[in-house]
Amino acid sequence: QSVLTQPPSVSGAPGQRVTISCTGNNSNIGAGYLVHWYQQFPGTAPKLLIYDDSSRPSGVPGRFSGSKSGTSASLAITGLQGEDEADYHCQSYDNRMRGVVFGGGTKLTVL
Amino acid sequence: EVHLVESGGGLVQPGGSLRLSCGASGFIFSSYWMSWVRQAPGEGLEWVANVKQDGREEYYVDSVKGRFTISRDNAKDSLFLQMSRLKAEDTAMYYCARTIGVHSFFDPWGQGTLVSVSS
Repeated sequence: QSVLTQPPSVSGAPGQRVTISCTGNNSNIGAGYLVHWYQQFPGTAPKLLIYDDSSRPSGVPGRFSGSKSGTSASLAITGLQGEDEADYHCQSYDNRMRGVVFGGGTKLTVL
Repeated sequence: EVHLVESGGGLVQPGGSLRLSCGASGFIFSSYWMSWVRQAPGEGLEWVANVKQDGREEYYVDSVKGRFTISRDNAKDSLFLQMSRLKAEDTAMYYCARTIGVHSFFDPWGQGTLVSVSS
């Protein structure tokens, strides 16, 4: 059971907007620790998508955005494209566990 | 270009040991925290351990404390994970990752090395 909770799957049609939630508590996201997001295609290593809640590394399209409020964070993808079909993982720090924590991952399907 | 390449994975019996290595290139290795993150088959990501730039500070997830040791050789731009008393639940793809800050994000990741613990 992951410390951060993500929906196992989300889906959307091309061109649509989808959001993936990442829910924590007052020992991680709610304590103000930063949230990061990764994109992972089958059989490959994760790739940094969003860091420090809402910053995009160079090369990541502006269609991807991150936000945080209270004990939760969200990844939004607008203008959904077939190439966005992948697993998405959120990450933060937990001061009770005194370590980095991840969500269980969300599989995005583009219909 | 920043590049990380893991090696050392394989099949090992429960209770056995294994040493993973990660070679780094394309950046000043000694300037960064480094980490190991694993992913069991079909599961999510789990942070395993990280080590400070000078190797004098380490952190571990509770499930590997006392069994795994992270270390680095800055002269050889290499990161290691010594794993002992391995259990079936340690079966996973192990990734090394450059870490931007002690408990911050991972970028980039290596391609991973697979560890299978089974009799």
